[in-house]
Amino acid sequence: EIVLTQSPGTLSLSPGERATLSCRASQSVSSSYLAWYQQKPGQAPRLLIYGASSRATGIPDRFSGSGSGTDFTLTISRLEPEDFAVYYCQQYDGSPRTFGQGTKVEIK
Amino acid sequence: EVQLVESGGGLVQPAGSLRLSCAASGFTFSNYDMHWVRQVTGRGLEWVSAIGTAGDTYYPDSVKGRFTISRENAKNSLYLQMNSLRAGDTAVYYCVRDLGGQTDSWGQGTLVTVSS
Repeated sequence: EIVLTQSPGTLSLSPGERATLSCRASQSVSSSYLAWYQQKPGQAPRLLIYGASSRATGIPDRFSGSGSGTDFTLTISRLEPEDFAVYYCQQYDGSPRTFGQGTKVEIK
Repeated sequence: EVQLVESGGGLVQPAGSLRLSCAASGFTFSNYDMHWVRQVTGRGLEWVSAIGTAGDTYYPDSVKGRFTISRENAKNSLYLQMNSLRAGDTAVYYCVRDLGGQTDSWGQGTLVTVSS
């Protein structure tokens, strides 16, 4: 099973700042089968990024994904008020599909 | 617009059974792999099962032998039969559409509580 470890657990930032979230895999995730999701309280997760770096439909370009192998990053270039949420990475290369434990981006 | 609406959650005693349903609309259901993903309140996400367009099924070890995923394309419906339920199965269960591997559409979830 591929274990995904996200860091930091919580990121305290102000609107307008840049957010950098990390996701490290216990073994290589081939073909960049790595996705990022955003979840707000009381809502289902929303797909942001797939294939490590491709934005899903309707996702603003302030969200970007990068990385390969075992190290992946989600960057939010300038935080908007609606971006404060929990973010999860997920790999869909191996079975079982696994998620990271999440990074909470909170208002400082 | 893609819509996934789960139903069937509720309170069940340990060792009991429950069947979840998911009604899909807004897309050609038969053309997509589908998943169930669960989330313990306030905690992370766990993939529970998947079914391919050909009816092939997949499970993690944590539910294998207890849960069964199925689909009925004529009714645009996805199901999850859960047997031998445990307290650790208490969670919100999401019905999710697969688009080329990534899961692009999620329902709002249905809460399953396993407690005596």
